[in-house]
Amino acid sequence: EAGVAQSPRYKIIEKRQSVAFWCNPISGHATLYWYQQILGQGPKLLIQFQNNGVVDDSQLPKDRFSAERLKGVDSTLKIQPAKLEDSAVYLCASSLLSSYNSPLHFGNGTRLTVT
Amino acid sequence: AQSVTQLDSQVPVFEEAPVELRCNYSSSVSVYLFWYVQYPNQGLQLLLKYLSGSTLVKGINGFEAEFNKSQTSFHLRKPSVHISDTAEYFCAVSTTSGTYKYIFGTGTRLKVLA
Repeated sequence: EAGVAQSPRYKIIEKRQSVAFWCNPISGHATLYWYQQILGQGPKLLIQFQNNGVVDDSQLPKDRFSAERLKGVDSTLKIQPAKLEDSAVYLCASSLLSSYNSPLHFGNGTRLTVT
Repeated sequence: AQSVTQLDSQVPVFEEAPVELRCNYSSSVSVYLFWYVQYPNQGLQLLLKYLSGSTLVKGINGFEAEFNKSQTSFHLRKPSVHISDTAEYFCAVSTTSGTYKYIFGTGTRLKVLA
């Protein structure tokens, strides 16, 4: 099966600019996650979708971050305006179910550098 | 709320030597436990998982982990490592009831030396 696709792989922007990331999950996976991984740290959940509804966005900085999952398939994550501390790898993951024992399948991530 | 602790940020080990990567968790409810591996410039991939049953779990690439409920640990082991095992390893926990949460540890960088 095709894996989780993410684009772009790398992005360099200046602070206060905006940026968007795209994710296409594994076909049939109802649950989609966006994680932020800062260098030297574990992934931190930003937002979780079940189909096209939001399950958890408690750690999403909503003043600058937004995400959507139209039609319950692809998803985009946007940052506007970006800050230096947003430099990180943004990982998209999907799982078949939003169940406690369902493992996550990750894309290769987008490495964002904010200068 | 649950949490995951990986005390070792880096573990250097010589090729063909055994290795243990430590993971401890805390939770007020029962949990499921996972180990993921991340190679450079790639996403995370599942190594193994503990859901229930036998406390010794075998995964891919010769790794295994043991669930110890009394010590709230889920340490990862491999009897003989290869250069290709050099990567970042993450322990993760998800709850079995209540609010669904999937939490990752801070990771352990395994460096296998020739």
